[in-house]
Amino acid sequence: EDKVVQSPLSLVVHEGDTVTLNCSYEVTNFRSLLWYKQEKKAPTFLFMLTSSGIEKKSGRLSSILDKKELSSILNITATQTGDSAIYLCAVEKTSGTYKYIFGTGTRLKVLA
Amino acid sequence: GAGVSQSPSNKVTEKGKDVELRCDPISGHTALYWYRQSLGQGLEFLIYFQGNSAPDKSGLPSDRFSAERTGGSVSTLTIQRTQQEDSAVYLCASSETSGRGTQYFGPGTRLLVL
Repeated sequence: EDKVVQSPLSLVVHEGDTVTLNCSYEVTNFRSLLWYKQEKKAPTFLFMLTSSGIEKKSGRLSSILDKKELSSILNITATQTGDSAIYLCAVEKTSGTYKYIFGTGTRLKVLA
Repeated sequence: GAGVSQSPSNKVTEKGKDVELRCDPISGHTALYWYRQSLGQGLEFLIYFQGNSAPDKSGLPSDRFSAERTGGSVSTLTIQRTQQEDSAVYLCASSETSGRGTQYFGPGTRLLVL
């Protein structure tokens, strides 16, 4: 059965800290891995990682895909209170009708 | 439109009543997805539409749940005889086509069943 597991489930840090969020997957016919940030209701897209693009960076956020270890990390440096959110990881498959497998998310809280 | 829209944003109903939730996907997106997110939980897949193909209903939790997509665009998720455990945020997402990258999510409908 396909599954995506995120860790930790929740995390509390102080402003300025660096955090690393983990996503591991067991999915057949992998196409890509996606990270989303969910602050209130709608998840917003952060990164998509594929075999041809295993590292992405945007400002203080960066993500790496390790296809050998079947995992990905999302790093946030110099955290700010605005980074407080749920971070969702999803894996996109190449086959089947419905193709997205979501993890349960990591809830990050950044204290001032 | 510029993004995925959903209505209503919030819905409070009494147990046993039917509710309809609406989703307007991004214009041109052929794939549309419904998810449910209960408090503190991840996204639970409900149903998926791709173009004119038969929808993938494998995530619907019971026969009280159904969804339609008219004209390949707007979708309605209907919950009949609502139960308290149906209380959740219902998220809709669309993508250009399934298996082609990211989904774009709507703001969701927060459903509360009293």
